Amino acid sequence: DQQVKQNSPSLSVQEGRISILNCDYTNSMFDYFLWYKKYPAEGPTFLISISSIKDKNEDGRFTVFLNKSAKHLSLHIVPSQPGDSAVYFCAASRMRGKLIFGQGTTLQVKP
Amino acid sequence: KAGVTQTPRYLIKTRGQQVTLSCSPISGHRSVSWYQQTPGQGLQFLFEYFSETQRNKGNFPGRFSGRQFSNSRSEMNVSTLELGDSALYLCASSLQLAGGTSYNEQFFGPGTRLTVL
Repeated sequence: DQQVKQNSPSLSVQEGRISILNCDYTNSMFDYFLWYKKYPAEGPTFLISISSIKDKNEDGRFTVFLNKSAKHLSLHIVPSQPGDSAVYFCAASRMRGKLIFGQGTTLQVKP
Repeated sequence: KAGVTQTPRYLIKTRGQQVTLSCSPISGHRSVSWYQQTPGQGLQFLFEYFSETQRNKGNFPGRFSGRQFSNSRSEMNVSTLELGDSALYLCASSLQLAGGTSYNEQFFGPGTRLTVL
């Protein structure tokens, strides 16, 4: 039973445009959500997070939106840069110390 | 501040052997979590240690075990290796609130790539 799903395995956008990565979850007990970025042969790098009591959190070019009724979150990157090309994972938590990850979306930003 | 370090970075073993992987968390972080990443299953939680005690455990067989030392460094051990244990093993650490509850944000090391032949 996959509790966190990223239904788009890949996404390609033009440099300067907006990248929108999506994530769905099934467990309503999740109370915290995170996005990580991963390059090959490296560990995931924390990007941004959001508590279930909020619906939006911004950090520079990155914004995460949470829609609890739809059990959906999204990561917006504006403007997209070639260096953003990587695999993006969303993760959810209801128990500290344990993250449940989606399968990842490979983002390619074309110059 | 130094990040999470993991040793070794690469390891090749044969079926039936056992392996020990090491993780040093970020200074001041007392919670250490371990994950397995494979192409088929993605990133899966193995277990979490805090103050030398296992607090959470994922759905892995008993061949996977771990421990944490008083300096928060952690090791994980896999016994009787199987071909399917070939994976990237990631360690992550997180900070704690005053009452011992961990922050949600976990910071990952570079991983240990284990190949079982």
